[in-house]
Amino acid sequence: KAGVTQTPRYLIKTRGQQVTLSCSPISGHRSVSWYQQTPGQGLQFLFEYFSETQRNKGNFPGRFSGRQFSNSRSEMNVSTLELGDSALYLCASSLIIQGDNEQFFGPGTRLTVL
Amino acid sequence: AQSVTQLDSHVSVSEGTPVLLRCNYSSSYSPSLFWYVQHPNKGLQLLLKYTSAATLVKGINGFEAEFKKSETSFHLTKPSAHMSDAAEYFCVVSDHTTGNQFYFGTGTSLTVIP
Repeated sequence: KAGVTQTPRYLIKTRGQQVTLSCSPISGHRSVSWYQQTPGQGLQFLFEYFSETQRNKGNFPGRFSGRQFSNSRSEMNVSTLELGDSALYLCASSLIIQGDNEQFFGPGTRLTVL
Repeated sequence: AQSVTQLDSHVSVSEGTPVLLRCNYSSSYSPSLFWYVQHPNKGLQLLLKYTSAATLVKGINGFEAEFKKSETSFHLTKPSAHMSDAAEYFCVVSDHTTGNQFYFGTGTSLTVIP
């Protein structure tokens, strides 16, 4: 079974631009979560989608948004990029079995904002 | 509220000696606990998980962890370190009251000295 895939793997943008990142979960997984990883703040939760609905959201500004499609694929969008948005963005998918919510992570998208 | 404290930001061991990475958690409800490993420029890989079954959990690559509710700890151990164990390790707590959100510790960087 294929793992979680994320595209693109690397992105370079300039301040003020917007960016869209894509995540394809493991087949059959309906929950997709997004995390931001930076050296200063570590791994922080952005949001979770389940069956096309945002179930949970972290403490990020409204410039960060996401969505999930009927095939469970998910995208996240960051508008009006700032230098501080430079980070590794990780996507994770989960099967959501009662009592076990293990998340499977993709390789990440490395975003650099100049 | 859920949180995780990884007590050591850096641990250095000699090859062939035991590894101990410490983690304390805080959770209002019965938690799920995980250890993930991240090699440089890679995504996160699950080492092991505790989901209210056996308190001593065995994972991949010879790692294990013991859930101690009275001490709110979930320390990661390995009897004998290998050079390939050098990586960043993250302790994670989650519970079903917050959907599928993972709360990450700040990470422990493990160095293995030949």
